[in-house]
Amino acid sequence: GQQVMQIPQYQHVQEGEDFTTYCNSSTTLSNIQWYKQRPGGHPVFLIQLVKSGEVKKQKRLTFQFGEAKKNSSLHITATQTTDVGTYFCASPTGTASKLTFGTGTRLQVTL
Amino acid sequence: DAGITQSPRHKVTETGTPVTLRCHQTENHRYMYWYRQDPGHGLRLIHYSYGVKDTDKGEVSDGYSVSRSKTEDFLLTLESATSSQTSVYFCAISGQGILNNEQFFGPGTRLTVL
Repeated sequence: GQQVMQIPQYQHVQEGEDFTTYCNSSTTLSNIQWYKQRPGGHPVFLIQLVKSGEVKKQKRLTFQFGEAKKNSSLHITATQTTDVGTYFCASPTGTASKLTFGTGTRLQVTL
Repeated sequence: DAGITQSPRHKVTETGTPVTLRCHQTENHRYMYWYRQDPGHGLRLIHYSYGVKDTDKGEVSDGYSVSRSKTEDFLLTLESATSSQTSVYFCAISGQGILNNEQFFGPGTRLTVL
């Protein structure tokens, strides 16, 4: 079945540094979604990208969808402690609005 | 947050006992899902439902069954719990349409099987 690889698995940054997580697929994706899960919490939908080469921004977060629609990235500028959590990408698979989730990137931010 | 609740939120049980987890939504969404989350594995789909009494298996369905007798409720049953089913279980819901398929998650149930 479809697999979505996500790297890195873990990253530790100092507050104020930038952070990027990458999502890669061997097949073309119809769209890509990003979720954030705070420690002890549940995944929360952040954004969906649909078009080839699409770039969207949410404050310090920049989301990109590759030209070939096989990869995506989430970049956080000047991280803050509130950015701590695990970031997942996800893409539709099969029917019934099912999603395949990447394994996630856990971000730790220290002062 | 979308109107999704899960019960119980925490449960400790013994190997071999049956366990039922409940997911309840107030959004009238068609699709409902059960995931398990384990370190290093992300979110893995157990079962999903695309309507009342319409369910199907996900990638890790062995040892689990589900039922959906009403739009708002989706039950996950472990017929005979095993230690390998110790995990955090999340329910999620989704609307319809290829561009409206973001999922909204419940708060999770932490299950420990001793």
